[in-house]
Amino acid sequence: DIQMTQSPSSLSASVGDRVTITCRASQSISSYLNWFQQKPGKAPKLLIYAASSLQSGVPSRFSGSGSGTDFTLTISSLQPEDFATYYCQQSYSTPHSFGQGTKLEIK
Amino acid sequence: QLQLQESGPGLVKPSETLSLTCTVSGGSISSSSYYWGWIRQPPGKGLEWIGSIYYSGSTYYNPSLKSRVTISIDTSKNQFSLKLSSVTAADTAVYYCARRSSGYCSGGSCYSVFDFWGQGTLVTVSS
Repeated sequence: DIQMTQSPSSLSASVGDRVTITCRASQSISSYLNWFQQKPGKAPKLLIYAASSLQSGVPSRFSGSGSGTDFTLTISSLQPEDFATYYCQQSYSTPHSFGQGTKLEIK
Repeated sequence: QLQLQESGPGLVKPSETLSLTCTVSGGSISSSSYYWGWIRQPPGKGLEWIGSIYYSGSTYYNPSLKSRVTISIDTSKNQFSLKLSSVTAADTAVYYCARRSSGYCSGGSCYSVFDFWGQGTLVTVSS
């Protein structure tokens, strides 16, 4: 099974900050990496697929990069609605596995 | 707009079987373009993929749960279902149903994505 490890587990930042979240796969997954945003009491929402492709309707301040085993999600200028938990997920092989999540909190 | 809605008991006794149904509206569950899956999230914890099913009935499961999981599909009702047997408190979670699409293409390759999710339903295992 492929293990996904995110860092940091939590992050405090201010509106307007640039933040980066990292996801590492235990083996190469090419670009088969998705990013989700989850707010309390809600289902996860797809932000990025194929490591760097922005899902339709997602603001352009979100971007993804990486391939192989190392990936990043960057938010260029944090907005109040961005404070949430973020998950990476690999779709290279089953079982489809998720990272443990990164909780982004207001400083 | 596609919508998925989970339904089923919110409380299950230990050792019994958890049963949930996902009703799909706004699209056909019989489309050859999609798989349909279940994902769960224990309170305050991360996401765990349980398994997926194709409209033909072919399934694949997370090996960690495979011995206890059955996912089935009823195309006439546009529904798919989850059964998890011999539950314990560790199975307490919000259970989500979701659509997995392989139609997300970039750079000449296509990728599978859980693109539509139900709102989730909390199932508590307790006597």
